[in-house]
Amino acid sequence: GESVGLHLPTLSVQEGDNSIINCAYSNSASDYFIWYKQESGKGPQFIIDIRSNMDKRQGQRVTVLLNKTVKHLSLQIAATQPGDSAVYFCAETHLGGSNYKLTFGKGTLLTVNP
Amino acid sequence: NAGVTQTPKFQVLKTGQSMTLQCAQDMNHNSMYWYRQDPGMGLRLIYYSASEGTTDKGEVPNGYNVSRLNKREFSLRLESAAPSQTSVYFCASSGDRSWRSPLHFGNGTRLTVT
Repeated sequence: GESVGLHLPTLSVQEGDNSIINCAYSNSASDYFIWYKQESGKGPQFIIDIRSNMDKRQGQRVTVLLNKTVKHLSLQIAATQPGDSAVYFCAETHLGGSNYKLTFGKGTLLTVNP
Repeated sequence: NAGVTQTPKFQVLKTGQSMTLQCAQDMNHNSMYWYRQDPGMGLRLIYYSASEGTTDKGEVPNGYNVSRLNKREFSLRLESAAPSQTSVYFCASSGDRSWRSPLHFGNGTRLTVT
């Protein structure tokens, strides 16, 4: 899962394995969640999103699972490829005061070994 | 389809100098955003523009100003740069102001203030 330190949590997997990246959130009123992929030197790229009325959503090779009971979000990547190597981070939307806020996590570094 | 384009890609400033970071999107999006990304901090919102003609402060607006020039363009100005503003700056856009739709990011401006 993600941490508050300068060093990102890391996950190292073998090519072809499945990867699971975790994210914890704290606000029980969060109602929208999104995963981004950020490759070195590039901007974040949208992967998949999910609303709080769902528990699971699937995309191409990716699945997002939402457990509202324990405030946990995960991203599963099937058959991980070297091109999946990147920093992955989650974000969530909740009402903060009178405005909605989108809050980003600090990320997990995924390294795929050939 | 270029998406979100940011210029310049790199910039070095001396303390006290000013500069404007440019951002343009070609997706006909209503909302645009400026974020900064620092190690261990995640993405933090500087300013946003929910629609043409409006701008609002985000989490870390001090030392910055913005201009929503038209629907396509949203610029960020540093009037008197400080070393604490050394960061990677990302512009993003989204189709609506709900904070519940994916943000599309540019590839960033890497700014160093000496």
